Amino acid sequence: GIQVEQSPPDLILQEGANSTLRCNFSDSVNNLQWFHQNPWGQLINLFYIPSGTKQNGRLSATTVATERYSLLYISSSQTTDSGVYFCAVEEDTGGFKTIFGAGTRLFVKA
Amino acid sequence: NAGVTQTPKFRVLKTGQSMTLLCAQDMNHEYMYWYRQDPGMGLRLIHYSVGEGTTAKGEVPDGYNVSRLKKQNFLLGLESAAPSQTSVYFCASTLGPYSGNTIYFGEGSWLTVV
Repeated sequence: GIQVEQSPPDLILQEGANSTLRCNFSDSVNNLQWFHQNPWGQLINLFYIPSGTKQNGRLSATTVATERYSLLYISSSQTTDSGVYFCAVEEDTGGFKTIFGAGTRLFVKA
Repeated sequence: NAGVTQTPKFRVLKTGQSMTLLCAQDMNHEYMYWYRQDPGMGLRLIHYSVGEGTTAKGEVPDGYNVSRLKKQNFLLGLESAAPSQTSVYFCASTLGPYSGNTIYFGEGSWLTVV
């Protein structure tokens, strides 16, 4: 099956700093999504981005499908950005499974 | 709009007991998923369904069974619980592939097997 790798596994930032999270996938995919899991366990979709670039406030994402990677940019980080960021890809195996990476754990210090 | 609702939210089981987790969605979604999340790890797909009456195995299906008798409900069963099944279980749903629609998650069900 498809492999999804995220880096870095852990990241500590000072409030106000910028960061880039990376997601690599081993095969072609139908779509790719970024999620944020807050410290209470709630999973929130950030971007649906099979290709191209999208921006939402301080967050933006870019997926280069031909090179099988996606990047999530966080600018001017805030303590509320803390949590785990997951990349998930939809694998076209006839059943359209959605597979998650192991996540990047982000802690933003005040 | 309730979205995706999981019950129960917390449960403690003894080894060998059985239980069923219920996932309900009110968005008329075709696709539904059950994931498990272990400490410090990502979500691993247990089983999924692409429509009423259909189910399929995910990455870690052993020890679990599922049913999708109604479009809005997706049940996850543990026939004989084992300590290795202690985890947080998330249900999710989406309209379907190629639709550009996001996946919606429930709030999670914390299961401990002692």
